[in-house]
This record gives sequence, C-alpha cells and structure tokens, in this order.
Amino acid sequence: GAVVSQHPSRVICKSGTSVKIECRSLDFQATTMFWYRQFPKQSLMLMATSNEGSKATYEQGVEKDKFLINHASLTLSTLTVTSAHPEDSSFYICSAREGSGANVLTFGAGSRLTVL
Amino acid sequence: GNSVTQMEGPVTLSEEAFLTINCTYTATGYPSLFWYVQYPGEGLQLLLKATKADDKGSNKGFEATYRKETTSFHLEKGSVQVSDSAVYFCAQGSGNQFYFGTGTSLTVIP
Repeated sequence: GAVVSQHPSRVICKSGTSVKIECRSLDFQATTMFWYRQFPKQSLMLMATSNEGSKATYEQGVEKDKFLINHASLTLSTLTVTSAHPEDSSFYICSAREGSGANVLTFGAGSRLTVL
Repeated sequence: GNSVTQMEGPVTLSEEAFLTINCTYTATGYPSLFWYVQYPGEGLQLLLKATKADDKGSNKGFEATYRKETTSFHLEKGSVQVSDSAVYFCAQGSGNQFYFGTGTSLTVIP
C-alpha cells in the first residue's frame, strides 16, 4: 500500500533556530499533502494544505511566515519551523492523498520537535 | 458544516471484552468515513474505511458500518487484545477536505 515517510522522527533544537521536516510519498505521487500538529493527548490540528507547484493554504490562526511549507515535487513536501520557540514544541504529522483521486489519507510516522 | 463527534475517552477494558467506540458525523453530501489508529509515539494508520451508505469496513477484527440514516460509523470489536491499546480517530473525507474526531484512547488490560 501507499507509504509516507517523514523525517526526522525526533529533533531537538535551540530557541531561535529553524528546523525542516520532510514528508515523502514513497510509492505514489501526492498532489496534495497535509500538515498537522498534535498536542499531547489531543486531536490533530490541521495546519495547512500543501499543493504541488503552488502556495500552501494555511488554516486560520497558523502563521505562514513561521511555518513555511514547500511542495516542490509530487513526492516531497517540507515544513520549516522558523525561529523556533519552546511553544512550538509539538508532534508534527504529515499526510498525503494520492493524485489518482483516491479519497484516503496516508500518514507519516510523525516528527517530535523539542525546542529548548 | 462538516464535523465528526466521537465518544470521549479514556476507555479501559479487560482483554477479550467487547469494544464499541461511537462516532457520528455531520456533512453536506456523502463523504467517505474512516477509522484511524495511533499507537504511542507514532503517526496515524488507516484501520478501515467505508465509502458509501451501508458499506461495512473491517480489518484486524474491527468493524464499522456506514449508517446514513443515523449519520454514524461506530467502531466495534468483539474481543479486544492488549495490543489494541491505542488512540482511535474517526474521520470523514470528501475531496481535499478531511475532518477528524478528537480521538478516543483505549487501554486494554490483561
């Protein structure tokens, strides 16, 4: 079945630095990818919808200058947390929808970001 | 608007007990319905899905039936195992729009 790889799985960084998280579809082309944030013991919060070759669509309240999303190819989307602060510490999860029109999301394993 | 409401947890069951996690949805149109499972420290995995009314999704002993008349997609398993301990998310999707419930934590004790 469809596989989405997310990297890194864990990252620790200092406050003020930037961190990039990659999301790759390994065996299918993903015209659309989604980025979520999950706080401990809470549900997923959709941050943005990433479309290949165009600008991401951000949800209300998500700072697009802080969470930069790039979807430069049909198999790769990246989320960059710029000038990270401790409150950005969270579990970030990406998902991808196959370009064939399949109405199923395949999720990456998530990336645990800790900002010191 | 579209939304998903699922049973609040946490749920604690003994091994081999019967499991039901309720899920209802509101939607304009006829979305596909899903159950995803999240094991500790991991991302979400698709557990089962149903794409139209009266469809039954099943996997690993779990089942859920798409009920249009009650707008429900309740998850059931006849005999849970310790390895089923996880958080379960009900979701609906149509096109690029996906909506998730808040998740239900299940703990199965030996």
